[in-house]
Amino acid sequence: ILNVEQSPQSLHVQEGDSTNFTCSFPSSNFYALHWYRWETAKSPEALFVMTLNGDEKKKGRISATLNTKEGYSYLYIKGSQPEDSATYLCAFLNNNAGNMLTFGGGTRLMVKP
Amino acid sequence: NAGVTQTPKFRVLKTGQSMTLLCAQDMNHEYMYWYRQDPGMGLRLIHYSVGEGTTAKGEVPDGYNVSRLKKQNFLLGLESAAPSQTSVYFCASSSSGTGGETQYFGPGTRLLVL
Repeated sequence: ILNVEQSPQSLHVQEGDSTNFTCSFPSSNFYALHWYRWETAKSPEALFVMTLNGDEKKKGRISATLNTKEGYSYLYIKGSQPEDSATYLCAFLNNNAGNMLTFGGGTRLMVKP
Repeated sequence: NAGVTQTPKFRVLKTGQSMTLLCAQDMNHEYMYWYRQDPGMGLRLIHYSVGEGTTAKGEVPDGYNVSRLKKQNFLLGLESAAPSQTSVYFCASSSSGTGGETQYFGPGTRLLVL
């Protein structure tokens, strides 16, 4: 079983604050790192798929970076808005796992107006 | 496109009862997955399928069976439900299995086993 850790588990910020959280994963046999956004009572939705060391991806106010050598990815949200409130999941794929993702426990973000 | 749909949305079972959860996708995806989501545990893979007629075990397969008789459908069966199977079940699908493709999730099925 692969160990994918996300921190913090939960985070409360004020509207307008910028924030970031971490996904840690095994640095060996890396293939891909996925980020998903999961709103309460909805389905997880894909944000990014990152495959190369040093990758940076951006979608609106949300961006992510990837360091495969040390086994971590950061997700950044600039100027948080209440609609950003959700659980953010990362999922790791290694070379030996076919298309089986191992998910972290998620970071629950709550943005107060 | 409806994407990924799941039926039922919610179900209550008594211990020992059986049921089948249905997942359907209209994106012509080869890969389909069943996950369970428990508080503090994230999503854990139960079984998956890499194509019609093929299935494989994931991280937590015990107590579940699956079938993929048609490309668009992936069924998850509980032969004899146990309280430990109380969870939210998510189905997902993706295109070819190179790992760089996102997975598309259904809305989930909430199952309570008494």
